[in-house]
Amino acid sequence: AQTVTQSQPEMSVQEAETVTLSCTYDTSESDYYLFWYKQPPSRQMILVIRQEAYKQQNATENRFSVNFQKAAKSFSLKISDSQLGDAAMYFCAYRSFETSGSRLTFGEGTQLTVNP
Amino acid sequence: NAGVTQTPKFQVLKTGQSMTLQCAQDMNHEYMSWYRQDPGMGLRLIHYSVGAGITDQGEVPNGYNVSRSTTEDFPLRLLSAAPSQTSVYFCASKTGGSYNEQFFGPGTRLTVL
Repeated sequence: AQTVTQSQPEMSVQEAETVTLSCTYDTSESDYYLFWYKQPPSRQMILVIRQEAYKQQNATENRFSVNFQKAAKSFSLKISDSQLGDAAMYFCAYRSFETSGSRLTFGEGTQLTVNP
Repeated sequence: NAGVTQTPKFQVLKTGQSMTLQCAQDMNHEYMSWYRQDPGMGLRLIHYSVGAGITDQGEVPNGYNVSRSTTEDFPLRLLSAAPSQTSVYFCASKTGGSYNEQFFGPGTRLTVL
């Protein structure tokens, strides 16, 4: 079974600064997908960014980028030019490369505070 | 499209009561799932379905039942509520392909006294 670990329960960043959230995972599979979800106080789960394990190039979505280290089983999220609206709980998640593809394994979450 | 809808948004039960959390999606997605979210534990998969008439257990299935009679609906039943089932419950759906995005409903906060 796969596991996902987020070792930082809480992080804080100054507005306009850069912050990196850590995520490590354990799997014996060679093909899989990794995701970062954002959960603001509204409770809605919002997909931030996703990475295919067979792609060496790190995914980027505007101010959000990842550092994917497959050998180290590490998948960190970098938020550049942090904004007040980035304050939320962030979850790292893993999905196997299987035909059903519906099951996500989540980490414990990191609560991000953005200070003005 | 309304996306993934869940009812109710909040619910308080007494120990031993039963209830059904409703989930519906209007995107014609084959895959639907139920997760529970507890502080410090992230989201954990309860049950999932890969199509109408097909369901399977996830990581924490005990105390919950599901059925999938239509593509649109995926209700979650608590047979005899326990305080350990106090949680926030999320329903999600996606179309085929492991890379495709999973869409989540707004969640149901359940308290069992």
